[in-house]
Amino acid sequence: GEEVAQTPKHLVRGEGQKAKLYCAPIKGHSYVFWYQQVLKNEFKFLISFQNENVFDETGMPKERFSAKCLPNSPCSLEIQATKLEDSAVYFCASSQSDAGSGYTFGSGTRLTVV
Amino acid sequence: EDQVTQSPEALRLQEGESSSLNCSYTVSGLRGLFWYRQDPGKGPEFLFTLYSAGEEKEKERLKATLTKKESFLHITAPKPEDSATYLCAVQRDSNYQLIWGAGTKLIIKP
Repeated sequence: GEEVAQTPKHLVRGEGQKAKLYCAPIKGHSYVFWYQQVLKNEFKFLISFQNENVFDETGMPKERFSAKCLPNSPCSLEIQATKLEDSAVYFCASSQSDAGSGYTFGSGTRLTVV
Repeated sequence: EDQVTQSPEALRLQEGESSSLNCSYTVSGLRGLFWYRQDPGKGPEFLFTLYSAGEEKEKERLKATLTKKESFLHITAPKPEDSATYLCAVQRDSNYQLIWGAGTKLIIKP
């Protein structure tokens, strides 16, 4: 399809619980990006993939965050032992190349940690 | 430090009242500057990419321009459906990360 599909739309977790978010990129797009949007529209880069390979993971808090993009499966972002400050909207985006034509974003997953 | 600053934070206009949004940036190496539109509860929607100073792009009532230090998004005779948050981001040439501004919330009153 021509949209980036993110599931679930909303996710509520108690502090310390695990959260797993999914992203199906547009078919044919070889790059996938994860961003975290907190208050006041601030977007923070987390990680990017080129196909199933990690391209750039400099934004990932490695102790608790992990991500994968495996062939023939949605990409995933997993947070172990969630903290209150992980509450945010997590956006996935995909692009055909290195994004000169612009990324296509999904609608996001709103994670609320209580 | 690489940084993107957008102004104003919010802008209220009457329908048909043209204006401009500003995006000032500092980046060690610019690969491209992006403009996105974001509606509440949705992901950003791509509008334009600009690559070099002097470049301009247009789409309907929107026109984006780029200099070495800033970009402007000009909106001509806006309609209420143009109400949204407009986001600017720069892409470093050393990696493909986007560095985002905080956005300008545009409200067009009928």
